[in-house]
Amino acid sequence: GQQVMQIPQYQHVQEGEDFTTYCNSSTTLSNIQWYKQRPGGHPVFLIQLVKSGEVKKQKRLTFQFGEAKKNSSLHITATQTTDVGTYFCVSYSSASKIIFGSGTRLSIRP
Amino acid sequence: DAMVIQNPRYQVTQFGKPVTLSCSQTLNHNVMYWYQQKSSQAPKLLFHYYDKDFNNEADTPDNFQSRRPNTSFCFLDIRSPGLGDAAMYLCATSRGRVSNQPQHFGDGTRLSIL
Repeated sequence: GQQVMQIPQYQHVQEGEDFTTYCNSSTTLSNIQWYKQRPGGHPVFLIQLVKSGEVKKQKRLTFQFGEAKKNSSLHITATQTTDVGTYFCVSYSSASKIIFGSGTRLSIRP
Repeated sequence: DAMVIQNPRYQVTQFGKPVTLSCSQTLNHNVMYWYQQKSSQAPKLLFHYYDKDFNNEADTPDNFQSRRPNTSFCFLDIRSPGLGDAAMYLCATSRGRVSNQPQHFGDGTRLSIL
């Protein structure tokens, strides 16, 4: 079945450093969504990518969808303590099954 | 504000004693989901409703049941909770088809089993 690998599992950075998490699929994705879950909180929708090669920006966050629509990345420039949390990619199989990536937990040294 | 509300935030039950978790939404969304999330893991979809159509995930244990009496409410029933069912249970909603709409999550109910 369709699988989505998300790496790294953990990332610990100094405040101000950049951060990137990657999702890779074994099959072509119709779209991909990104969510953020703060410690003790619930997932919150960040963005959806649909088009091949799409790039979207939200302030310091840059989201990319690969040309082949098999991978996606989330890049945070100059991390801040408010960026702490776990970032999940969510994709959907051809049968509309929801597939959560395993998540990347970001922690930050002030 | 329109939102997804889960009650209670914390629930303690005894091993084998049935428990019901509730979720309500004011977003008027077609789709309601129940997820189980254990510590340091991604949410695991248990089932979802598209309007009144129930969609069970293949690996969801029979011990877990759900009811959606109307658009606004959805319940998760655990018939005989085991120690392995201790987790955070998240309810989410989305508008329209499953695959192309953002999901809106509630704050979750943390279930403990004694």
